[in-house]
Amino acid sequence: GQNIDQPTEMTATEGAIVQINCTYQTSGFNGLFWYQQHAGEAPTFLSYNVLDGLEEKGRFSSFLSRSKGYSYLLLKELQMKDSASYLCAVILFSGGYNKLIFGAGTRLAVHP
Amino acid sequence: ETGVTQSPTHLIKTRGQQVTLRCSSQSGHNTVSWYQQALGQGPQFIFQYYREEENGRGNFPPRFSGLQFPNYSSELNVNALELDDSALYLCASSLLLAGTYNEQFFGPGTRLTVL
Repeated sequence: GQNIDQPTEMTATEGAIVQINCTYQTSGFNGLFWYQQHAGEAPTFLSYNVLDGLEEKGRFSSFLSRSKGYSYLLLKELQMKDSASYLCAVILFSGGYNKLIFGAGTRLAVHP
Repeated sequence: ETGVTQSPTHLIKTRGQQVTLRCSSQSGHNTVSWYQQALGQGPQFIFQYYREEENGRGNFPPRFSGLQFPNYSSELNVNALELDDSALYLCASSLLLAGTYNEQFFGPGTRLTVL
């Protein structure tokens, strides 16, 4: 089976740094995405990791360790608008096509 | 370049009814995937269509079916609705090229409520 774990909820203060962890156990791995999803809206792309290491994009960074089945999303200089769910998703290539397997998401609440 | 659109935005049905949800892919994309997202959960893969044929399916029963049209728009049909089918249904389009994976762009979703 496929298993992706991330914390259910996190809270942080405006201006601070928060790290959201994701661990995965999947049969196959073709990359990992992080998405942001505000309540009632579609997921929007944040980052993509396929090789080990850190990918930085402005206030957001994502790290991947394939040997450990582990990734994290780092959010710096938190803003109130960062309050949202953050979804970790693994790409599996199976049966001739790629599909995304999502974790349940981490709800982040940013307080003043 | 237009993004992914879905219709309707919200829908209320009763148990046993049938529903059709629609999705227009982003311009230039040839692949569409459908996901079901229950409240508080991550999206669950239903199936994927590439060039009008289903080329992948998740753990959903046959009463979930779909179509992709020559203009790459798509439909999701659900027969014999059950209460547990209440969810946000997301459509995502991408450009599938041999040997590569391309980002999926999500539509705003259709919120289905089954009473």
